[in-house]
Amino acid sequence: EIVMTQSPATLSVFVGERVILSCRASQSVSNNLAWYQQKPGQAPRLLMYGASTRATGIPARFSGSGSGTHFTLTISSLQSEDFAIYHCQQYSTWLTFGGGTKVEI
Amino acid sequence: QLQLQESGPGLVKPSETLSLTCTVSGDSISSGRYYWGWIRQPPGKGLEWIASIYYNAATYYNPSLKSRVTTSADTSKNQISLNLNSVTAADTAVYYCARHHYGTILFYFDPWGQGTLVTVSS
Repeated sequence: EIVMTQSPATLSVFVGERVILSCRASQSVSNNLAWYQQKPGQAPRLLMYGASTRATGIPARFSGSGSGTHFTLTISSLQSEDFAIYHCQQYSTWLTFGGGTKVEI
Repeated sequence: QLQLQESGPGLVKPSETLSLTCTVSGDSISSGRYYWGWIRQPPGKGLEWIASIYYNAATYYNPSLKSRVTTSADTSKNQISLNLNSVTAADTAVYYCARHHYGTILFYFDPWGQGTLVTVSS
């Protein structure tokens, strides 16, 4: 099983800050990686797939990069509605998720 | 607009079978354009993929759950179903259904249903 590790577990930030979230895979997943945003009490929402392709309707302040075993999700200027938990998911070999990073005030 | 709605008992006794249904509206599961998946999230924890099914009943299961899981598709009702047997407290979670994009492999989930909490307790 490919293990996905997200860091940090919690990130305390201010509105307007640039935020960089990390996701590492225990073995190469090429660019077969997706990111999701989950707000309290809600289902996850797809943000990014193919490591760097924004899903429909996702603002341009969200960007993804990486390939192989290390990936990042960057929020260029954090907005109040971006406070949430962010999950990464690999789909190279079966499907596994990271433990999530909580972005809080 | 595509909507997915999970339904089923909110409380299941240990050793019994958890059964859930996902009703899809706004798209036909028999279109063949997507798989349809189940994912769960224990309270305060991360996400775990359970299973995915195609309209023709082709299925993929998480190897760690495969021995206890079955999933099926009812194209006449535009529904998919999940059965998880021999449940324990560790199966307590919010269960989501989602449209599962695929190509040569299974890809990502979009969109998701709102989820339903299932508690395993006597």
